Amino acid sequence: DTGVSQNPRHKITKRGQNVTFRCDPISEHNRLYWYRQTLGQGPEFLTYFQNEAQLEKSRLLSDRFSAERPKGSFSTLEIQRTEQGDSAMYLCASSSNRGDTQYFGPGTRLTVL
Amino acid sequence: GQQLNQSPQSMFIQEGEDVSMNCTSSSIFNTWLWYKQDPGEGPVLLIALYKAGELTSNGRLTAQFGITRKDSFLNISASIPSDVGIYFCAGQPPNFGNEKLTFGTGTRLTIIP
Repeated sequence: DTGVSQNPRHKITKRGQNVTFRCDPISEHNRLYWYRQTLGQGPEFLTYFQNEAQLEKSRLLSDRFSAERPKGSFSTLEIQRTEQGDSAMYLCASSSNRGDTQYFGPGTRLTVL
Repeated sequence: GQQLNQSPQSMFIQEGEDVSMNCTSSSIFNTWLWYKQDPGEGPVLLIALYKAGELTSNGRLTAQFGITRKDSFLNISASIPSDVGIYFCAGQPPNFGNEKLTFGTGTRLTIIP
């Protein structure tokens, strides 16, 4: 399968713990995006990378959130000191250099107890 | 965060009926995309539209990019059980380098037996 993959698919954690998610984009895509989706809503943009450079961050991305893409391939999203409000589906997408069509992974569902 | 106005919010139809949903924005977009999302999964791309006035089909699905660049619609003809799910529109603004997608609030499609 050559689509976008995300791990883990589900994560349950206690408030205050740190969590890290991984995204592997489609292999020839150099743009990678993170979105967050809460119940009953559409996905909301968090941040995006072109190769290893992080080019834009949403105001939704508080100081507790950090994203990296060190070698321009896979990316990680870390949430420190999780809060119950962080519970959501975290989606990763990738696109080609044209940046016009984004393909999504299956998401990581985070539940903070 | 900002979300596009998508209607209707939900639809209950019988198998074989046609479906129509639309999306409007207060600002213009360069690209309109339509995705379908099943529970617990990421959005799957259905149709991409890149030009005002463009009408594109994908099997039983037809979508159009509005002339004003502020709206789009999606039609599904002769619905079948696997069409059940949540449909999202998404728009990409014209500013170069602004790659993020803004999503609609979704249309939930249910097929009544």
